[in-house]
Amino acid sequence: DAGVIQSPRHEVTEMGQEVTLRCKPISGHNSLFWYRQTMMRGLELLIYFNNNVPIDDSGMPEDRFSAKMPNASFSTLKIQPSEPRDSAVYFCASRSNGAETQYFGPGTRLLVL
Amino acid sequence: GENVEQHPSTLSVQEGDSAVIKCTYSDSASNYFPWYKQELGKRPQLIIDIRSNVGEKKDQRIAVTLNKTAKHFSLHITETQPEDSAVYFCAASKRSQGNLIFGKGTKLSVKP
Repeated sequence: DAGVIQSPRHEVTEMGQEVTLRCKPISGHNSLFWYRQTMMRGLELLIYFNNNVPIDDSGMPEDRFSAKMPNASFSTLKIQPSEPRDSAVYFCASRSNGAETQYFGPGTRLLVL
Repeated sequence: GENVEQHPSTLSVQEGDSAVIKCTYSDSASNYFPWYKQELGKRPQLIIDIRSNVGEKKDQRIAVTLNKTAKHFSLHITETQPEDSAVYFCAASKRSQGNLIFGKGTKLSVKP
C-alpha cells in the first residue's frame, strides 16, 4: 500500500497566486482530512470529507480557501489568492470507516513570498 | 467545542530516564485519544491510542493512561533512547464525528 500521497511536496509561490494542493487517500478509506501545521497554531483541522461529502469545514480560515473531493481517490485544497500568512505545512490524512486511526500523508510545505 | 491542552511544551531527559507528557480535554463526550509522534520534517505517525472504556494501555516502552473523571490522559515513555527524540501530539475525538482535536505538541529531547 502506497499510503496517503500528496503533491507537490514543496511549493514556493508569490503572494496573490493561486495554489492547489493535491491528495490521494489510501485506497478503501472513506474519510479524508486536511490539516495545516504552523509553529504558532500547531496542527489545525481545516476540513474533512466522508464518502466525498464535506462534513465539517469550520476550520477553513476564510473564503480564500476551498476544498473539493470529486471522487474517492482524489482531493484538492485551493488557496486563491495566496498570502504570506498561508505559509505552512499542509497535511492530508485518511481513515477507514469503522476505524479511528488517521494516516497522514508526507505533507506539502508551502511558502508564500 | 473540544479543547485539548498539552504539557509540557518541551521536555529534555537523559537517555534511560522516563518521560511523561500530559493532556487535558474539555468535552466529556470525547472517547478516543491517540498519540502521534512527529520527527523533524516528517509526517505525524500514530504510536498508541486509548479508548474511553480502558484506563491504561501499554506497548513495550510506551504506555498511556486515561482518567475520564478528571478528563486527562498521559503518555509514558520508559527507558528513553535518542531515537525517541521528536514532537509528540495528543488528540481527542468523539468517534461518531471523526475529527481529531490536537494538543500543541511536546518537543522531547533525549540526551545520550
